[in-house]
Amino acid sequence: DTAVSQTPKYLVTQMGNDKSIKCEQNLGHDTMYWYKQDSKKFLKIMFSYNNKELIINETVPNRFSPKSPDKAHLNLHINSLELGDSAVYFCASSQGLKGGWNYGYTFGSGTRLTVV
Amino acid sequence: RKEVEQDPGPFNVPEGATVAFNCTYSNSASQSFFWYRQDCRKEPKLLMSVYSSGNEDGRFTAQLNRASQYISLLIRDSKLSDSATYLCVVRAHTGTASKLTFGTGTRLQVTL
Repeated sequence: DTAVSQTPKYLVTQMGNDKSIKCEQNLGHDTMYWYKQDSKKFLKIMFSYNNKELIINETVPNRFSPKSPDKAHLNLHINSLELGDSAVYFCASSQGLKGGWNYGYTFGSGTRLTVV
Repeated sequence: RKEVEQDPGPFNVPEGATVAFNCTYSNSASQSFFWYRQDCRKEPKLLMSVYSSGNEDGRFTAQLNRASQYISLLIRDSKLSDSATYLCVVRAHTGTASKLTFGTGTRLQVTL
């Protein structure tokens, strides 16, 4: 039973299109995140939601819009896709305050986005 | 300067060798520390948390030096299956928000 699941796993699309990536966690965690891993393999946080509330927004272009309909779901919508958006996008979740700070994150398996 | 710095490697070691990775972090407000492992084309997975007192999990030993802002990971008796990228990770908290900041990773290749 997958703890953090993302769909789709692969996404190939043309520049200028709009696309969405979905994420769901069944761990009962309060906090969810989106991370981007670029071609140099560097993982960088984009957004964090705690109980459906945006708590971290790390200088991400406003073409990226996260949406959390409930605390088990965090989707990422990207408008007007650009070549530079090609990367692997990872969703993650954690217990946050409830679980204690030495508790790590659980990551989804990633969505490999290629913009052509 | 990156918030979390690691030697990217690769470290090529024979099976059975002992290998050590180091990492430094710049945010003195960081409160939690971890090593994650990432296999090729997979998601990062938590290897172990790191404490000032040092902690050991089988062949893996992690150590934190808060004064020097330095984290280490020692792998003894390397196995082929240890080949992966090892990510040094720190967590800083502000109120209800916390975020993991990742190093760029150190690649380990264990060979026969």
